[in-house]
Amino acid sequence: ETGVTQSPTHLIKTRGQQVTLRCSSQSGHNTVSWYQQALGQGPQFIFQYYREEENGRGNFPPRFSGLQFPNYSSELNVNALELDDSALYLCASSSSTIHRGPAKNIQYFGAGTRLSVL
Amino acid sequence: AQTVTQSQPEMSVQEAETVTLSCTYDTSESDYYLFWYKQPPSRQMILVIRQEAYKQQNATENRFSVNFQKAAKSFSLKISDSQLGDAAMYFCAHNDMRFGAGTRLTVKP
Repeated sequence: ETGVTQSPTHLIKTRGQQVTLRCSSQSGHNTVSWYQQALGQGPQFIFQYYREEENGRGNFPPRFSGLQFPNYSSELNVNALELDDSALYLCASSSSTIHRGPAKNIQYFGAGTRLSVL
Repeated sequence: AQTVTQSQPEMSVQEAETVTLSCTYDTSESDYYLFWYKQPPSRQMILVIRQEAYKQQNATENRFSVNFQKAAKSFSLKISDSQLGDAAMYFCAHNDMRFGAGTRLTVKP
C-alpha cells in the first residue's frame, strides 16, 4: 500500500456527461500528477499540481481540468465525455522541493479509477 | 516527440531463472532519472528501481538491477531468481512523465 487513495474505483458515464475523480495524497506529499492509462497501454501524463498550482501539462484538451486543495488532495474533472475517455485514471503523489521543471522524485500511485464511457 | 520504447510486449521466464526487460528512450537532457515500475493485476503501480543519469554505477535493489547505457539511451531491467509474485506489467519511465507501453511478464512455475 502506498497511502494514495482514489475514489471511486469504478465509474460508468454516458457520452457528453461530466465526471470528477478524486485523489488523496500520501501524507507529507505536496505534488500530485494525473495519468490516463488506456487498456493495454502505458500511462499518459495529463497534468501535475504542485502546492495548488498547475506545474506541467501533457497533450490533453482543456476539457480535462484539475484542482489541488490546501491539504494536497486533488480532483480531476473531465467535461463533455467522449468514448475514447474510457480508461484507468491514475493519481500519483510525491514530495517536491522545486516549482519548475520535471519532477525527479519517486511517485507513489493509487490503484486508479476505471472510467467507462458508454 | 520524445519517446520511451519497450520493444517486448510480452516476456516469459521460468521460476528461479533470470529475465531482462528492454527499454530505450529519447531525451535532450543531460541530467534525468529513469524508473522501472511494476503494475500487478491490482492496478497499483509500484516503483521497482530508479537510476540517476549522472551516476555511472547501475542501480540495484535486491533481485532487481539495471543496465544503464547513457550513450545508447538504453535502460534494461534484470530480474534474477524470478518469483511467481514478479508476474505483472512492467513500465519503463522517464522523469518527465513519459512511460513506455509496458512489458507483460509471465513467470512459469
